[in-house]
Amino acid sequence: EADIYQTPRYLVIGTGKKITLECSQTMGHDKMYWYQQDPGMELHLIHYSYGVNSTEKGDLSSESTVSRIRTEHFPLTLESARPSHTSQYLCASSVGLRREKLFFGSGTQLSVL
Amino acid sequence: GESVGLHLPTLSVQEGDNSIINCAYSNSASDYFIWYKQESGKGPQFIIDIRSNMDKRQGQRVTVLLNKTVKHLSLQIAATQPGDSAVYFCAENKGGGADGLTFGKGTHLIIQP
Repeated sequence: EADIYQTPRYLVIGTGKKITLECSQTMGHDKMYWYQQDPGMELHLIHYSYGVNSTEKGDLSSESTVSRIRTEHFPLTLESARPSHTSQYLCASSVGLRREKLFFGSGTQLSVL
Repeated sequence: GESVGLHLPTLSVQEGDNSIINCAYSNSASDYFIWYKQESGKGPQFIIDIRSNMDKRQGQRVTVLLNKTVKHLSLQIAATQPGDSAVYFCAENKGGGADGLTFGKGTHLIIQP
């Protein structure tokens, strides 16, 4: 069982609010990822990190930002939420080798009204 | 058992039958593939993986087949059980140093009693 945690589980907020989605893993993994998933659809990579102080943008353009100050923590921030940001956000981590599986958290379901 | 062509959004099978879920991948340079299972309200869970130097790999009740000639991946589930009901995603690790995994469209497996 993977030890990767996301909070909150569900979040409903109004337009224009600043939000931070939390993701923590206790496995000591170097690589961490954020994926965005609409209902029933495939996952799209929006951010990833190789390690502390490393952040990169993924394949899908996103208005969110991320930070990696500690190995175990990879929060995602939206400065001004909009209804178009409504989606599920999934955090994942891996050891850092090229061919390896990702461990996923349970996700944060974000609804922006 | 039920066999389907390339990606169907939904696959319905009788409990106890074998299930076959298909996936077409996009990049001939991809060298690592994974099948994930995502239950409602949860993050994706690793099922089985296969490297490009293999054609077949078996796990507990699951088998993954890789056909590199036509860039096709399949997941076979033996004796399908109610707990197998979920959305199944294939994912590829593209070559060229790409980060993260690229996910295909999911197939919702429905188990009929």
